[in-house]
Formats: sequence, C-alpha cells, structure tokens
Amino acid sequence: NAGVMQNPRHLVRRRGQEARLRCSPVKGHSHVYWYRQLPEEGLKFMVYLQKENIIDESGMPKERFSAEFPKEGPSILRIQQVVRGDSAAYFCASSPGGLHEQFFGPGTRLTVL
Amino acid sequence: DAKTTQPNSMESNEEEPVHLPCNHSTISGTDYIHWYRQLPSQGPEYVIHGLTSNVNNRMASLAIAEDRKSSTLILHRATLRDAAVYYCILGFGNEKLTFGTGTRLTIIP
Repeated sequence: NAGVMQNPRHLVRRRGQEARLRCSPVKGHSHVYWYRQLPEEGLKFMVYLQKENIIDESGMPKERFSAEFPKEGPSILRIQQVVRGDSAAYFCASSPGGLHEQFFGPGTRLTVL
Repeated sequence: DAKTTQPNSMESNEEEPVHLPCNHSTISGTDYIHWYRQLPSQGPEYVIHGLTSNVNNRMASLAIAEDRKSSTLILHRATLRDAAVYYCILGFGNEKLTFGTGTRLTIIP
C-alpha cells in the first residue's frame, strides 16, 4: 500500500512566484490535512479538507494561500506571490475519518530566495 | 484546544525502557490522547492513542492515569531509531492535530 505522497519534495521559488504543492492521500482516504513547520519551530495546522470541501481553514493565512481537494486527483496547496517567510516544510496528512490516525507524507521543503 | 505539557528533552540508554510523561489537566471527557513522533527530516508518525484504558501496540504502550489528567508513553526497549521528537496531543474524531513543542528524545548508544 502506498502511503501519502507529496511532490515535489523540494521546491525553490523566487519572491513573487507561485508555489504549488501536491498531496496524494492514502488510497481510499477522503480526509486531507495540511500542516506547516517553520525552521526550528513546531508543526502548525493550516487547513482540513474533505473531498471538494474545506472543513476547517482556521490555520490558513488569509492572503495568498489556498487549498483544494478535487473529486479526482491530488490535494493542492497553492501559495501565490511567495515571500521569504513562506520558507518551511509543508506536510500533508490523510485519514479515512472517524477515530483513525492521520498518516503523514514526507513533506515538501519550500525555499524562497 | 486542550493543552498538554511535556518535558522539553529526555535521554535514555539504548535497549532500556523509556517513559515519556504528558500532563493534560484540562482534558475533556471526549478527548482522546494521541502520541505522534517526528524523526529527523521526516513527517510525523502515529505511535498510539487511547481514551481511558491502557493501550499496547507493536510500537509502544500508553498508560493513562485514572483521572485522565496525565499519561505516559512507554517504549519498552529503546533503539537508536527511536530518537525523535514525541508529541502528546488531545483530540477527537476528525479534528486537526495541535502540536506542542513535544519531548526531544535522545538515545545514548
């Protein structure tokens, strides 16, 4: 069974460019979560999606960040007009829902020059 | 979100048991106690979770106090691979995970 897959694993962008991070959940999982880990800091929740719906985006910055989880295909975290402060590791997790644990991907490390 | 308190760091000798404590005095009746760990340069990994009774799985055991205000993650025989940051998290159902600072566990060969 394939686990959560994230790509790219490393992404370098210049200030002002767009970053698109992809997450393919475990097959059959309909719940996806995105977390961000800034350098030398803890993991912070960003957004929780359940197939085509955003359930909780309380941790998502109001500007420049958006997320989607379409009916077909991976979940996408999109960051427009990146700034140096967006440099971080972004982790995606998936779950079948209910009381099941979240399965995390290996992360995408975004560096903004 | 209910808060947990963990020591910043702990050390243990290889092949000895490790007891990682967590205090959660404001836990609510529906909160489960979850433990995750994050190995260096990797995503977090689920370890174990429980509600009221002690739990065992292939990775660890979870001992929960009778009043549920504290719990202890037990690694029965630590290996170098167990060096990680361990997070104790309260939650229910599909809720987001709220990570604190966790306990950085160092294993001494």
